[in-house]
Amino acid sequence: EAQVTQNPRYLITVTGKKLTVTCSQNMNHEYMSWYRQDPGLGLRQIYYSMNVEVTDKGDVPEGYKVSRKEKRNFPLILESPSPNQTSLYFCASSSLGSTGTEFFLKQFFGPGTRLTVL
Amino acid sequence: AQKVTQAQTEISVVEKEDVTLDCVYETRDTTYYLFWYKQPPSGELVFLIRRNSFDEQNEISGRYSWNFQKSTSSFNFTITASQVVDSAVYFCALPNYGGSQGNLIFGKGTKLSVKP
Repeated sequence: EAQVTQNPRYLITVTGKKLTVTCSQNMNHEYMSWYRQDPGLGLRQIYYSMNVEVTDKGDVPEGYKVSRKEKRNFPLILESPSPNQTSLYFCASSSLGSTGTEFFLKQFFGPGTRLTVL
Repeated sequence: AQKVTQAQTEISVVEKEDVTLDCVYETRDTTYYLFWYKQPPSGELVFLIRRNSFDEQNEISGRYSWNFQKSTSSFNFTITASQVVDSAVYFCALPNYGGSQGNLIFGKGTKLSVKP
C-alpha cells in the first residue's frame, strides 16, 4: 500500500530536549516536505527536499533541521524544542512527474504527529 | 503573491442541510491547480479534489460538488444533504509555483460541524 508514515504520532516533551520525527514513504518519490499546522493559520511549509541530499527552507524553518540521506526518509529534527513549536506536523511526498514540475498532481500526506513542548 | 482565503472560520448546520464552503484565491500564474482537503477529527488530511484552471466545468462527486469560477477567483465546495460524518475542517489549497519550493499554500480552513 502506497503510504507516508510518521513516527511518533504523539509526543510530549520538555523544552530543550532534542527530538526527531521520522518520515518515510514507499513510493519512490523524489519530493518530500514538512508542514506544521496551527489553529487559525492553516498549514505552513517548514522544509522541503527535491531529492537525496537536496533540502531547502520553506516558509517557517526557524528552529528545525532536516536531512535527506536516503530517498525514502526525511526526518525532522528539533535540536532544542521550545513551546512555540507545539503543533501538528505533517510530512508529505510527491513525484516530480515527467516534467519535473508536477509536484502538485498529488501530494501524499502522512497521518500527522502531534507534538507538545512543555 | 499566492494566497488562499477561506473567510468562513466555522460553520454549523443541521444534518441534511446543504452547505457551501467558500474559497477565494490569488495567483500570479496563468495556469494552476486548486485543491480541497478534508481533515476529520482524527487529524489526517484527506485529499478531496484537484482542479486544473483550464477546466471551469463544475464537478460533482456524490454529495460533493465544486464550483470553479476563474472570473471571481473562487473555488467553492458544496455538500448536499450534509451528514454528521462530514464534520471536519476543510482546506482549500493552491500550489506555490514560485521557484522550486513546491509547496501548497493552504487557506486557514473552515471548521464544519454537522449536528444530528
